[in-house]
Amino acid sequence: GENVEQHPSTLSVQEGDSAVIKCTYSDSASNYFPWYKQELGKRPQLIIDIRSNVGEKKDQRIAVTLNKTAKHFSLHITETQPEDSAVYFCAASQGDTGRRALTFGSGTRLQVQP
Amino acid sequence: EAGVAQSPRYKIIEKRQSVAFWCNPISGHATLYWYQQILGQGPKLLIQFQNNGVVDDSQLPKDRFSAERLKGVDSTLKIQPAKLEDSAVYLCASSLGTPGLNTGELFFGEGSRLTVL
Repeated sequence: GENVEQHPSTLSVQEGDSAVIKCTYSDSASNYFPWYKQELGKRPQLIIDIRSNVGEKKDQRIAVTLNKTAKHFSLHITETQPEDSAVYFCAASQGDTGRRALTFGSGTRLQVQP
Repeated sequence: EAGVAQSPRYKIIEKRQSVAFWCNPISGHATLYWYQQILGQGPKLLIQFQNNGVVDDSQLPKDRFSAERLKGVDSTLKIQPAKLEDSAVYLCASSLGTPGLNTGELFFGEGSRLTVL
């Protein structure tokens, strides 16, 4: 089955700096890669996703890049703000080719220092 | 619209006791998932339903865990007997379609936190 590795486990940045979280996956058949944000005591929520037919996707201050050859994808947050502090999870699945559920990484705790 | 509802929010039991969790997905969502989230880890899939049929239960410890989704709506997850290592948050999620489709976004409930003493 799919295995998703996520690094770093914790990340502390100053407000306004950029943050980068990296994930690798094992199953070359995976083609859908979402990122979820989980604030303390709350449920995970989707913030951005990317499919294997594109290499990069942006949504305001967040972007995700995908390298299919190397089987890794990254989340980039620019101009970080205190409200970005949360745990971020990457995930992977064989989306449109099957019915496989998401396999999640172990999470990155991001702390944005004001 | 109403989100995914789960109950109870918290449960404390002793090892070897049993516990049941309930989930009501978003109306119209065909796919329902149960994930186990141990403190400091990512969610791990236990079981996936499509309507009232099981799609994937390969990681469900079937000697002690069971789940059902009668009538393709509500679902229950049961643990009997519980072990110390079952202490975790049990997250229910639902989606209109399957991952990767435009309708595949997972909507999570607030979770049921289980402590096994």
